[in-house]
Amino acid sequence: GENVEQHPSTLSVQEGDSAVIKCTYSDSASNYFPWYKQELGKRPQLIIDIRSNVGEKKDQRIAVTLNKTAKHFSLHITETQPEDSAVYFCAARLGNTPLVFGKGTRLSVIA
Amino acid sequence: SAVISQKPSRDICQRGTSLTIQCQVDSQVTMMFWYRQQPGQSLTLIATANQGSEATYESGFVIDKFPISRPNLTFSTLTVSNMSPEDSSIYLCSVLTGTYEQYFGPGTRLTVT
Repeated sequence: GENVEQHPSTLSVQEGDSAVIKCTYSDSASNYFPWYKQELGKRPQLIIDIRSNVGEKKDQRIAVTLNKTAKHFSLHITETQPEDSAVYFCAARLGNTPLVFGKGTRLSVIA
Repeated sequence: SAVISQKPSRDICQRGTSLTIQCQVDSQVTMMFWYRQQPGQSLTLIATANQGSEATYESGFVIDKFPISRPNLTFSTLTVSNMSPEDSSIYLCSVLTGTYEQYFGPGTRLTVT
């Protein structure tokens, strides 16, 4: 089955700097790659996703890139703000099968 | 998106007892799932709740311990049976919409003493 590796496990950045989180997946057939943000005590929230027919997707300060050949995808957050501090999870899926999650990255934005 | 509610939001239970968690969605969804999240950990899939048939369980999870029902396209229950302290966790309902986005309920925080 699918296996998703996520790096780094923790990341600290200064406010205003960029943050990048990387994930690799094992199943080349996977075609959907979402990112979730989870604040302390809250549910995971879908913040952006990308499908296998697209190489990059942006939404304001957040972007996701996908390299199908290398089987990896990344989350880019620009101009980070303290409210970006949270745990971020990447995931992968084929069709309507359940998502398989990475282990998460704890992002701290230092003001 | 989908609006998902779960009941109860939290509970403290004694070992050996059972707890049933309810998940309600505001619209018909393609699929419903149950996940478990230990403190500081990632999300682990317990099972896929199938409407009108037995749930599909992931390795390490069995029906006798985690019976699941899904009587219709907007509701599901997960029971945690014969609980032990190792079952203390957050249990999350999740749904797959028609556009293949997956959303999570607010979770049920279970503590077993």
